[in-house]
Amino acid sequence: SQTIHQWPATLVQPVGSPLSLECTVEGTSNPNLYWYRQAAGRGLQLLFYSVGIGQISSEVPQNLSASRPQDRQFILSSKKLLLSDSGFYLCAWSQGPAELFFGSGTQLSVL
Amino acid sequence: AQKITQTQPGMFVQEKEAVTLDCTYDTSDPSYGLFWYKQPSSGEMIFLIYQGSYDQQNATEGRYSLNFQKARKSANLVISASQLGDSAMYFCAIRRGAGSYQLTFGKGTKLSVIP
Repeated sequence: SQTIHQWPATLVQPVGSPLSLECTVEGTSNPNLYWYRQAAGRGLQLLFYSVGIGQISSEVPQNLSASRPQDRQFILSSKKLLLSDSGFYLCAWSQGPAELFFGSGTQLSVL
Repeated sequence: AQKITQTQPGMFVQEKEAVTLDCTYDTSDPSYGLFWYKQPSSGEMIFLIYQGSYDQQNATEGRYSLNFQKARKSANLVISASQLGDSAMYFCAIRRGAGSYQLTFGKGTKLSVIP
């Protein structure tokens, strides 16, 4: 069966520090991968999605970036965090344009 | 652009009763998909049910059913026989067409099941 791992579960970072969140999927090949952000009390906002290695589509201009160095690995990064980057980040995967399966999320607090 | 509207920020339901969570959508695409997700306090998003825009029958998955009214652009989630474990945030989402990879989510409804 397929599983998705996302870490860390919580992260507290100072403004201006770098960020790296990692997500891996097991039990499937060539999945579509996604990064979503959920601000407090709000719905999910798609940040990036990837349909293959090295293929990244950005939905929202910001100081975040994403990379897909391996088929089942998706990384969300920032060189310098802003206060507004605080939120709950969720990685997800799908096979084709079907339902998304989400990881357990990372609660990021930028102070 | 697509939009999902969930007008109920919070709902209460008695245990073992049925509850309907409202969702209306706006899209100009002739083909689309509608999803419901559950988010418990742990934070993970759990897929519940899917309805395609061309599906003739309403989707059902166990205690979950989707009341799809295409002309009214509504896709309400019905949970039958509520359980305490159903207490969570519920999100409605829409995907554009068969070739799209993007879901647009509503702001969610917080459901509280009362014993």
